[in-house]
Amino acid sequence: AQSVAQPEDQVNVAEGNPLTVKCTYSVSGNPYLFWYVQYPNRGLQFLLKYITGDNLVKGSYGFEAEFNKSQTSFHLKKPSALVSDSALYFCAVRDKGNFNKFYFGSGTKLNVKP
Amino acid sequence: DAGVTQSPTHLIKTRGQQVTLRCSPKSGHDTVSWYQQALGQGPQFIFQYYEEEERQRGNFPDRFSGHQFPNYSSELNVNALLLGDSALYLCASSWTGMNTEAFFGQGTRLTVV
Repeated sequence: AQSVAQPEDQVNVAEGNPLTVKCTYSVSGNPYLFWYVQYPNRGLQFLLKYITGDNLVKGSYGFEAEFNKSQTSFHLKKPSALVSDSALYFCAVRDKGNFNKFYFGSGTKLNVKP
Repeated sequence: DAGVTQSPTHLIKTRGQQVTLRCSPKSGHDTVSWYQQALGQGPQFIFQYYEEEERQRGNFPDRFSGHQFPNYSSELNVNALLLGDSALYLCASSWTGMNTEAFFGQGTRLTVV
């Protein structure tokens, strides 16, 4: 079965510092991995995806993620955090087959302090 | 180009009642999925509709049912509401392709009292 795990419920970082939000995955075969962000009382907003190719994926709002097959990880990163990045971040893996069914992690709340 | 739209945004129902939630997918998308997001948790897959048929279903009871219309819009129906059905219900639309991401609506917040 496909699954992702987000080991940190919350990450705190000061504005201007680099941030990392962790995600590990468990899949059979090649993974299709995604990051979404959720602001309060809003739906999920797509940030980036890894399907194949370069292990460093660049996405929206300056975010990037590094795919590491040996460590089965897909950590979300940003070189310099903004207060407006404070939100709930979800890692997800797409199910096998031609269906857009996603398995989401439990989410990580990112707090960026001024 | 309108994204995924859901209605209503908020809803309060009593235990035992029935509810219908609606979703209009992003233009050009033919697949609609529904997710339930309980407080403090990640979204859980309920089911997916494609070509007006339920294509895949998650671990939800038969009280949860749906429909997709010829214009690709979709409804989620929940019968015999329980307190535990209180959650944010998210609709996601996508194009049936191997590598596409899903686009989510803002959700419907359902409170069962």
